[in-house]
Amino acid sequence: DAGVIQSPRHEVTEMGQEVTLRCKPISGHDYLFWYRQTMMRGLELLIYFNNNVPIDDSGMPEDRFSAKMPNASFSTLKIQPSEPRDSAVYFCASSLRNNEKLFFGSGTQLSVL
Amino acid sequence: GENVGLHLPTLSVQEGDNSIINCAYSNSASDYFIWYKQESGKGPQFIIDIRSNMDKRQGQRVTVLLNKTVKHLSLQIAATQPGDSAVYFCAENAGGTSYGKLTFGQGTILTVHP
Repeated sequence: DAGVIQSPRHEVTEMGQEVTLRCKPISGHDYLFWYRQTMMRGLELLIYFNNNVPIDDSGMPEDRFSAKMPNASFSTLKIQPSEPRDSAVYFCASSLRNNEKLFFGSGTQLSVL
Repeated sequence: GENVGLHLPTLSVQEGDNSIINCAYSNSASDYFIWYKQESGKGPQFIIDIRSNMDKRQGQRVTVLLNKTVKHLSLQIAATQPGDSAVYFCAENAGGTSYGKLTFGQGTILTVHP
């Protein structure tokens, strides 16, 4: 298996623009997670899905952030409009079952100018 | 003063030494713990995990110890190699209504000198 696949690896955009991050979890994994990593706050959970259904989105910073999982093999995290403080590395992860180890993708480095 | 970000604990060792990285957790309801390794520019990589019904688990060159009494977790790396240099994170699954999501510690920077 290729592991969790994220795209793009790097994204540079201007304040106010819409940003869409993409993730393909490991095939057969029932859980998908979006994390954000910054120097200030470390690794923070934004939202996670079970069988394509959002379970906990309490970590989503504000209404500018939204996440979808239209099917078992694809998820998106959208920021609209983006702001400089959104600059971070965004990781997607998946796990086979609940309460098991997460497998992380390589992340998307987002820079909002 | 200005908050310039997290100040991660650091551990510096010589190649061949054993390393011990520590982690304190606060939630007594946590029942599952994981150690991750993150190299520069990469995502966190699973190292080893342990459930709360155990106090020790061994892998290849790594051992995790869990002390539930004092809510402490440690990762021991035997014969540390330069390739072990990375940031190491402990993570906990708090169970209950938080079941299914991991909370990560701030991380420890391990530097291995040849």
